[in-house]
Amino acid sequence: KNEVEQSPQNLTAQEGEFITINCSYSVGISALHWLQQHPGGGIVSLFMLSSGKKKHGRLIATINIQEKHSSLHITASHPRDSAVYICAVSSNYKLTFGKGTLLTVNP
Amino acid sequence: EADIYQTPRYLVIGTGKKITLECSQTMGHDKMYWYQQDPGMELHLIHYSYGVNSTEKGDLSSESTVSRIRTEHFPLTLESARPSHTSQYLCASSEARGYTEAFFGQGTRLTVV
Repeated sequence: KNEVEQSPQNLTAQEGEFITINCSYSVGISALHWLQQHPGGGIVSLFMLSSGKKKHGRLIATINIQEKHSSLHITASHPRDSAVYICAVSSNYKLTFGKGTLLTVNP
Repeated sequence: EADIYQTPRYLVIGTGKKITLECSQTMGHDKMYWYQQDPGMELHLIHYSYGVNSTEKGDLSSESTVSRIRTEHFPLTLESARPSHTSQYLCASSEARGYTEAFFGQGTRLTVV
């Protein structure tokens, strides 16, 4: 079983919909990261969380340390949000990644 | 905007060739990492460095080697490429202190034919 599990694996939405991607982890962590990977491979860091909630534009990330769970929300989704969203946890020296959630937002 | 660069972005090369994937960052980060990602799969750490002259192998066994002669430069070398090396290779860097945000390069998509 992977130490970091994401759900769903694939998500298709209509433009304007509210989107939630979930991440559960099974190890003790120092921080949790949400990353965005576009076709072509480049990765952008969206958030780094160790507690509570962060907001950046239409993106909101929350984490519950006790439940070992994090969510990434996208409000008013847009086709340009289409990408793979990856959850990763920091433990000791390394990042452990989930398999990612492929989000497709249709116009 | 992150200042970490990988070259080439795409590489198709024949079996047995020696290749070097370049990664450079201008942020003065001490920590640098190489990850390998097969299509549809998660990233796996193959090498990391905490600073100049420091290199360590990651969780996933790899036939590649790395060097860290300068802070800003962390090249990855395959002495003899094989089709099993076909994958995407991503470089990242972060500050040395504590647990900080990692910055990723655009990746190199390697195909060995």
